Amino acid sequence: QQPVQSPQAVILREGEDAVINCSSSKALYSVHWYRQKHGEAPVFLMILLKGGEQKGHEKISASFNEKKQQSSLYLTASQLSYSGTYFCGTERGAQKLVFGQGTRLTINP
Amino acid sequence: NAGVMQNPRHLVRRRGQEARLRCSPMKGHSHVYWYRQLPEEGLKFMVYLQKENIIDESGMPKERFSAEFPKEGPSILRIQQVVRGDSAAYFCASSPGGTATGVTLHFGNGTRLTVT
Repeated sequence: QQPVQSPQAVILREGEDAVINCSSSKALYSVHWYRQKHGEAPVFLMILLKGGEQKGHEKISASFNEKKQQSSLYLTASQLSYSGTYFCGTERGAQKLVFGQGTRLTINP
Repeated sequence: NAGVMQNPRHLVRRRGQEARLRCSPMKGHSHVYWYRQLPEEGLKFMVYLQKENIIDESGMPKERFSAEFPKEGPSILRIQQVVRGDSAAYFCASSPGGTATGVTLHFGNGTRLTVT
């Protein structure tokens, strides 16, 4: 089953913060976050495994609450280069990632 | 190190023709995934293959679509008798193991298929 992402779209000014949420109705083994710029391939950002740990990547971090089957991606002090569509991919032991519908992030100067 | 290579980047086919999309995984990767992306939409899982084996094809349409990953050579996604609804970007991703082991996917740049 496809995870649900919210919000569907976000518009920020450079330097502002954003949170993107990803939730599943089923138990998860891991959550993966990817960013895709228009016309390009999705690029891996980070993976979160069971345990509720928080991972970081520059000013982008994420958390995984396995009890609630939710993950959140935090973008701090956003930069123009953060623009793109963010996808969460969930893995439930079936050896495949099922992606959410995406969250389009636009950063304006 | 070369990344995941897909070709062609763009493919135009008339309705009823066949489309063949190729994917060479990263060196050392023996797991290949195909995803389809319609304009302004997410990535839809199609099929997961290992060398000479289809592991999960639950996302593949039952008719006209097939995939293979031979012992030698690239993985091929084949669409027979294409229709306009097949127009989409098709992405291939590879990994050194299945995603249940915590490995990540490396995506190719995709093949944009246009059916006229």
